[in-house]
Amino acid sequence: SQQGEEDPQALSIQEGENATMNCSYKTSINNLQWYRQNSGRGLVHLILIRSNEREKHSGRLRVTLDTSKKSSSLLITASRAADTASYFCATGDNNNDMRFGAGTRLTVKP
Amino acid sequence: EPEVTQTPSHQVTQMGQEVILRCVPISNHLYFYWYRQILGQKVEFLVSFYNNEISEKSEIFDDQFSVERPDGSNFTLKIRSTKLEDSAMYFCASLRQGVGTEAFFGQGTRLTVV
Repeated sequence: SQQGEEDPQALSIQEGENATMNCSYKTSINNLQWYRQNSGRGLVHLILIRSNEREKHSGRLRVTLDTSKKSSSLLITASRAADTASYFCATGDNNNDMRFGAGTRLTVKP
Repeated sequence: EPEVTQTPSHQVTQMGQEVILRCVPISNHLYFYWYRQILGQKVEFLVSFYNNEISEKSEIFDDQFSVERPDGSNFTLKIRSTKLEDSAMYFCASLRQGVGTEAFFGQGTRLTVV
């Protein structure tokens, strides 16, 4: 599998604002997942979107997938200080590896 | 809720020593992974394991590394002769099926090679 590449590398916003992070990849995929990592901890799965889906919601999270542009975005609405973390995307194809990019480090200031 | 358990949480070892990092995946999961993360850097894929054999491995996973599932529950990563640059957090993950399903990560083992 290829790894996704997230941007921006770092994002700093005020509590209550929305945060948008992007992920780009190079070849065709079956699905794309977003994960969150609090500092020094394991990754936690947030949401999975399949290649035949364009948008998916989970609580304050909204994920879009544009396979023609080979990109995905993660939107966190009404952000909270507790959303401060690093966010990673991972793509899945027919191989059994799952690779992550460098992540977006989100800071939400109270 | 089922969880992936890793031990030890922190290991300090002398350069050149062998280390074994242990993981207990979720019991009905079939796919197991090791990743490492050097402080502040990206999460790097090392190896995936399915049906008692390596499924995929990265360029990082050279002859110094090996994995096994000795007893049907533990999943171990062995580094034969540690180098300073092996210092990192090592994460184990398990998936019920393949990469189209959610990965559950352990809390990691911090390996410090001195």
